[in-house]
Amino acid sequence: DSGVTQTPKHLITATGQRVTLRCSPRSGDLSVYWYQQSLDQGLQFLIQYYNGEERAKGNILERFSAQQFPDLHSELNLSSLELGDSALYFCASSSELAGIDEQYFGPGTRLTVT
Amino acid sequence: AQSVSQHNHHVILSEAASLELGCNYSYGGTVNLFWYVQYPGQHLQLLLKYFSGDPLVKGIKGFEAEFIKSKFSFNLRKPSVQWSDTAEYFCAVNADDYKLSFGAGTTVTVRA
Repeated sequence: DSGVTQTPKHLITATGQRVTLRCSPRSGDLSVYWYQQSLDQGLQFLIQYYNGEERAKGNILERFSAQQFPDLHSELNLSSLELGDSALYFCASSSELAGIDEQYFGPGTRLTVT
Repeated sequence: AQSVSQHNHHVILSEAASLELGCNYSYGGTVNLFWYVQYPGQHLQLLLKYFSGDPLVKGIKGFEAEFIKSKFSFNLRKPSVQWSDTAEYFCAVNADDYKLSFGAGTTVTVRA
């Protein structure tokens, strides 16, 4: 158990819908990262927040957005869902701002878009 | 932007065999290097990491990796694998931004 929790574990929804994935980082970690893992794209970095502020953006679509709340939990919002958005979405946390520290990964949320 | 390539997509070997997984990255500056493992149905876990110092890094579960700067490589090794090493292995690089760039992963299947 990494100490990072993600809910829900599984999510099945239809195209065009909107979903919210939730992540709680390890106690004391200020950085939260979101990743998408799919068969064709591999593990792709989406976005990072540090203490409530966006710090880095990766291959995140405009239909996707995220935020980190004062209690440091983070939510990833996916809208206008397409079949290709089906993937495993991981959240990770670390204690540092810069990415030199180990990132601790959550168990992931498996999103299936039908 | 940095990129990471892992040479092998799928490796199949028998217990007690030696394992070496290749990882190369494309970035000319200072990098931090990681190997993560994902056991079936589980989350990614850190095996080992290199920031600076001795280029031969020892990690958990008997794994080690060697950083060769001139070859832009960070290969993972284990002298004698066990059935429980069956997993997917990811090499990751962090350069001077905040994100980790992952390789495509190598699936390792160890046969008893």
